[in-house]
Amino acid sequence: GAGVSQSPRYKVAKRGQDVALRCDPISGHVSLFWYQQALGQGPEFLTYFQNEAQLDKSGLPSDRFFAERPEGSVSTLKIQRTQQEDSAVYLCASSLDGSTDTQYFGPGTRLTVL
Amino acid sequence: QKEVEQDPGPLSVPEGAIVSLNCTYSNSAFQYFMWYRQYSRKGPELLMYTYSSGNKEDGRFTAQVDKSSKYISLFIRDSQPSDSATYLCAMSEGGSYIPTFGRGTSLIVHP
Repeated sequence: GAGVSQSPRYKVAKRGQDVALRCDPISGHVSLFWYQQALGQGPEFLTYFQNEAQLDKSGLPSDRFFAERPEGSVSTLKIQRTQQEDSAVYLCASSLDGSTDTQYFGPGTRLTVL
Repeated sequence: QKEVEQDPGPLSVPEGAIVSLNCTYSNSAFQYFMWYRQYSRKGPELLMYTYSSGNKEDGRFTAQVDKSSKYISLFIRDSQPSDSATYLCAMSEGGSYIPTFGRGTSLIVHP
């Protein structure tokens, strides 16, 4: 069966541009997570959705970061006015339920800000 | 000091060796302990999941948790070149959906 997919896989942006990263979770998965993985580091939590409700956005590093999941399926992470420090791999994960259920990760979007 | 410490390696071993990967942590509230494998340009994949202290075995993989020492380990027996990847430890507090990851250890198994 299809896993979590993300697009684009690679994105190069000039500093100051806005970007939108898409995540397609596993069908039927209620929970969706976004993580940021800097080079040589482990993933760091950004935000969590249960269906369309964003229950936790405590990890978003600034108000330039915005995430949505309007119909409880596909999610978009938007970064406004990108900065060089935003360069990282952005990972999406979904789980059947929430809480401590196994999270299945997508391949990530590698964002490079020049 | 980070909550979860993990040596980045790389760790290079010959095929067939027993591999030991480790993490230490400082948050005594962590109750769930996980090991993920991440191949280059892929997302992390859950390998092992342990609640509280003790050992758990799954095929060639054994996870150990020593909460008194705040130390967790992953052992890989009869390592294969296909095991070459980055291994991330992760842990979370009871009832939390937010894991805290280590930085990962790069493992290279050469034929």
